[in-house]
Amino acid sequence: NAGVTQTPKFQVLKTGQSMTLQCAQDMNHEYMSWYRQDPGMGLRLIHYSVGAGITDQGEVPNGYNVSRSTTEDFPLRLLSAAPSQTSVYFCASSPDRGGSGANVLTFGAGSRLTVL
Amino acid sequence: GDSVTQMEGPVTLSEEAFLTINCTYTATGYPSLFWYVQYPGEGLQLLLKATKADDKGSNKGFEATYRKETTSFHLEKGSVQVSDSAVYFCALSEGSGNTGKLIFGQGTTLQVKP
Repeated sequence: NAGVTQTPKFQVLKTGQSMTLQCAQDMNHEYMSWYRQDPGMGLRLIHYSVGAGITDQGEVPNGYNVSRSTTEDFPLRLLSAAPSQTSVYFCASSPDRGGSGANVLTFGAGSRLTVL
Repeated sequence: GDSVTQMEGPVTLSEEAFLTINCTYTATGYPSLFWYVQYPGEGLQLLLKATKADDKGSNKGFEATYRKETTSFHLEKGSVQVSDSAVYFCALSEGSGNTGKLIFGQGTTLQVKP
């Protein structure tokens, strides 16, 4: 049971380049989300999805795009990388049913991005 | 909007010392509250949670009680070990019901020395 898998683990970009961070989960979770982690700021929500074909913006969406064509995958695209996007990115998923699993997020191991 | 505030770190303790990490929150509704732990180089893992006022979450010797009157969810452990060294995040659920979205505090780094 792999859980949430993120690739790549590390990436260095130059300003203006584009790239996609991949995220896949095998738990059949409907909810998926992307967070960025910056020192002293905790985790901030970038985009999230409540199911295939449905996405919405979080707290810090500017400069990022997402799409959700399948339940399993939720890629995050940086359109034109900027140094301010240097961060550690975490993908998470959670079930849409209530009960003990409600709002319990399972996180990937993270992707460390440096923009020069 | 809703928010979470944690005590500043790092917190440095000797092995077997008592741990408290303070967490207070602001919320308009009735959120669920969580503590997540992040070990070096890893993603966040759920440590414990509480879904309503006066609930106590517990796991691996850690405890936290949902205090609505003081809007707090402080993390405690009676005797820490070196292996507890990590970053601890307090979080609350955003919106009402099961939204799959959390609001996190800034994180508190715990260092436990032998």
